[in-house]
Amino acid sequence: EADIYQTPRYLVIGTGKKITLECSQTMGHDKMYWYQQDPGMELHLIHYSYGVNSTEKGDLSSESTVSRIRTEHFPLTLESARPSHTSQYLCASRKISSGSSTDTQYFGPGTRLTVL
Amino acid sequence: KNQVEQSPQSLIILEGKNCTLQCNYTVSPFSNLRWYKQDTGRGPVSLTIMTFSENTKSNGRYTATLDADTKQSSLHITASQLSDSASYICVVSDRGSTLGRLYFGRGTQLTVWP
Repeated sequence: EADIYQTPRYLVIGTGKKITLECSQTMGHDKMYWYQQDPGMELHLIHYSYGVNSTEKGDLSSESTVSRIRTEHFPLTLESARPSHTSQYLCASRKISSGSSTDTQYFGPGTRLTVL
Repeated sequence: KNQVEQSPQSLIILEGKNCTLQCNYTVSPFSNLRWYKQDTGRGPVSLTIMTFSENTKSNGRYTATLDADTKQSSLHITASQLSDSASYICVVSDRGSTLGRLYFGRGTQLTVWP
C-alpha cells in the first residue's frame, strides 16, 4: 500500500475560483509528479519536482502552478478555475534506487475536479 | 518519436476466462516497462516492472512478458475475476535523462462479466 494521499477526492466549484489540490507522501521520495487524465485517455504530465525548491513544467501545458517547500508536500494551485480545467488530477512520487528494477512510482487516489 | 501503443482499446470477457493485452513501444533508450491497473476513479497501481534483461514476470494471476528486440510486451491474466475489471496501462521509462521519463499508453479497458 502506497503512502501517498490526495485531498480532496472530489471537488465541484464555480468558474473563477482559486483552488489548491493537496498531495502528500510519507515515503521520503524526492521525485514527485502531477498528471492530468481525461476519461479513457492517457495520463499527461503537467508538473514534476526533483526535490525541495525544484519544480518544472511537464509535457502538457497547464495554467496550474506547483510548489515544493517540503519533501512530503507537493500542492497544485489553479488561480482562476475554468470549465476546461475539468479533469482528474493524479499525484505520484517515485523512488529510483541503483538498478532500474527498483524504479517504483506510486500514485495517489486522484482528485476529480469539475468546474461549472 | 517515443510512443506506447496498446491493444485492444477495450475487451470484454467472461469470468474465469484468460486474456492477453498487448503493448508496443518505440521508446529509446529503453530502461524499464511496467504494467499498471487503474480502477475507475482511482490512481494506477503497479502490477509488474521489467528491465531489459527480464522477459517475464508474474504477480499472482498476472504474467507480463517483454521482448526487448521487437519492443513488445504482453500482460496475461489467468482465470479472470470480476475485480479484474479495470484499465490496464503500459508505461515505458527511458534512461536518456536523470528523470527517467515515463511514457504512458492509453490503456486497455477490460470488463469481466459474470
